Amino acid sequence: IVMTQSPATLSVSPGERASLSCRASQSVSGDLAWYQQKPGQAPRLLIYDASTRATGIPPRFSGSGSGTEFTLTISSLQSEDFAIYYCQQYRNWPAISFGQGTRLEIK
Amino acid sequence: QVQLVQSGAEVKSPGSSVKVSCKASGGTFINHAFTWVRQAPGQGLEWMGGIIPMFGSNYAQKFHGRVTITADESTSTSYMELTSLQSEDTAVYYCARDNSLGGSGRYYTGENWFDPWGQGTLVTVSS
Repeated sequence: IVMTQSPATLSVSPGERASLSCRASQSVSGDLAWYQQKPGQAPRLLIYDASTRATGIPPRFSGSGSGTEFTLTISSLQSEDFAIYYCQQYRNWPAISFGQGTRLEIK
Repeated sequence: QVQLVQSGAEVKSPGSSVKVSCKASGGTFINHAFTWVRQAPGQGLEWMGGIIPMFGSNYAQKFHGRVTITADESTSTSYMELTSLQSEDTAVYYCARDNSLGGSGRYYTGENWFDPWGQGTLVTVSS
């Protein structure tokens, strides 16, 4: 399953809302996770099962969607939210796949 | 809370092999599933394979025949060995816990999302 994220780069001002898209080449039902990665750091799990926040993730992060279309929304962007975001499907285990990432940068 | 600590950076020659370790601490390791993901410089995340105790190891098609993932419960450590290294294998290699086992490892849930992650191990392949 090919995961396609858009846009490749998203420029947003602090305090504004960001919406990141992830599309699957075939249905993954709700078996989708989102990760955040900052420079020089390992990825961090944000969302699993398309919409469940991981432990310790602030409520400004939310996930939605099912089937082939998914969205990660970050309301009221904080400075620490500027990073690269990846989606990952696990419906087709063991053929796990990640999207190519969306870079969220400060406008 | 489980933490994963990986072995240190490696420099390898083309054609050689590398074995990276991932030790779990701060929690119980028994019946955990683990996965390995790599990231080439400036690139995205690439799933290599994983090990789920009740199923054994599974590998991405791209790495079949070149990668071996194992786990040693007695030392709470998972290992990833990659052979026939080429310059294109230069990357940071991450381990992570695969959260697809429930009931203390008694059953498979299908929840193959990854958390937590190790700090990463840089493998450089250069002549």
